[in-house]
Amino acid sequence: AQSVTQPDIHITVSEGASLELRCNYSYGATPYLFWYVQSPGQGLQLLLKYFSGDTLVQGIKGFEAEFKRSQSSFNLRKPSVHWSDAAEYFCAVGNNNDMRFGAGTRLTVKP
Amino acid sequence: KAGVTQTPRYLIKTRGQQVTLSCSPISGHRSVSWYQQTPGQGLQFLFEYFSETQRNKGNFPGRFSGRQFSNSRSEMNVSTLELGDSALYLCASSLAIWPGRDTQYFGPGTRLTVL
Repeated sequence: AQSVTQPDIHITVSEGASLELRCNYSYGATPYLFWYVQSPGQGLQLLLKYFSGDTLVQGIKGFEAEFKRSQSSFNLRKPSVHWSDAAEYFCAVGNNNDMRFGAGTRLTVKP
Repeated sequence: KAGVTQTPRYLIKTRGQQVTLSCSPISGHRSVSWYQQTPGQGLQFLFEYFSETQRNKGNFPGRFSGRQFSNSRSEMNVSTLELGDSALYLCASSLAIWPGRDTQYFGPGTRLTVL
C-alpha cells in the first residue's frame, strides 16, 4: 500500500545547529516528492520538490533535500537553523493520480 | 499577485447544520484543491476541481461536496455536520490539474468548530 512516513513527530534543535527531517515512502515508481512548511495559523508553503534528475534538490530558505531511491527516502536538511524555522514540516509523495502527506514533524528551535 | 484567500477564517456550527466555505485561487489558476487537516488524521485530500469539473476525489463521505465557478472560485459544502468534522480546511490552487508536478499554493485555511 502507498504510504508516507515521517518518523519524528517532534524535533528540537538549537539555533545555528544543523537539521535533518526524515521522510520515507512506499510507492511504485519514482513518485513526485515535496516538502512543505506550515507556520501556526498559516497554510502550507512549498519548500522544494523533486520529480527526476539530480537527486539533491535546493529549495527556499536555505533548505535542501536528497532523494535516495534505494532507501525510499527524501530527507530535508538545513546546515544552520534559524529561530524563524520553527514550524511544522510535511513531506508529500504521489503521482498524477494520488498524493499523500506525512503526519508532519514539529520543529522547535532553542535559543 | 494576491495569494489564495479563504473565507471565513473561523466558523462555529452545531451538529446537524450545514456549512459552506469559500476559496478564491490565485489569478490565472484553474485548479482548486481542498484538504482537511486534523490532529488525529493529519492532512487529507478532499477533492480537486479544474475548469469547473471535479477531477479527483479523496475518501470522504458524500456529505462533503464542492463546486467551482467559471472564475475558478470554489466552494466546499459540508452537510449534516458531525463533531468529527471540526478541522482546519485548507484550499490550494495551481495552474495545472492536481495531483501532479505543478506547485500548489495554499490559503490560510478556515477553522471549523462543530459543537
